[in-house]
Amino acid sequence: DQQVKQNSPSLSVQEGRISILNCDYTNSMFDYFLWYKKYPAEGPTFLISISSIKDKNEDGRFTVFLNKSAKHLSLHIVPSQPGDSAVYFCAARDYNFNKFYFGSGTKLNVKP
Amino acid sequence: DSGVTQTPKHLITATGQRVTLRCSPRSGDLSVYWYQQSLDQGLQFLIQYYNGEERAKGNILERFSAQQFPDLHSELNLSSLELGDSALYFCASRASGGDGYTFGSGTRLTVV
Repeated sequence: DQQVKQNSPSLSVQEGRISILNCDYTNSMFDYFLWYKKYPAEGPTFLISISSIKDKNEDGRFTVFLNKSAKHLSLHIVPSQPGDSAVYFCAARDYNFNKFYFGSGTKLNVKP
Repeated sequence: DSGVTQTPKHLITATGQRVTLRCSPRSGDLSVYWYQQSLDQGLQFLIQYYNGEERAKGNILERFSAQQFPDLHSELNLSSLELGDSALYFCASRASGGDGYTFGSGTRLTVV
């Protein structure tokens, strides 16, 4: 049972434009959400997070939006750069069970 | 360098064999998590240890086992290997009360 879903396996965006990566979840007990970025041959690295008490968190070019009623979060990258090309995983924490659940990832390709 | 060390980086072995993957968490982190990433799949949670004790189990096969030692390093043992076990195996550690994981760079296992 996939509690965190990333329905777009890949996304291609032109350099300078906005990249929007989406993530849906089913568990209303998730209280914390994170985005990880993964380059080939490397482990995932933390990118940005958001608590369930907020609906937006911004860090430079990266903004995460949380819509709790829709159980949906998204990562916006503006402006997109070729170095952003990577696989992006969203993750959610079930506080009760102290566990994190990951989506299947979205491969972003930013074209020069 | 994330501070989480995984060895070996690559492993090629034959079906039916047994291998051991090793992980050293970040200094001071008591929790170790093991994840499996198969081709085009997301990160599948296998097992978690906290200060030497098993804390949570995910989709871990009976052929797989893990342990965490007093020095907090962890080993994931995979036995009776099958072709389908070929994957990237990631270890992550988390500080007590920490909000996210720090991942190692992974071990790529190829079963031939």
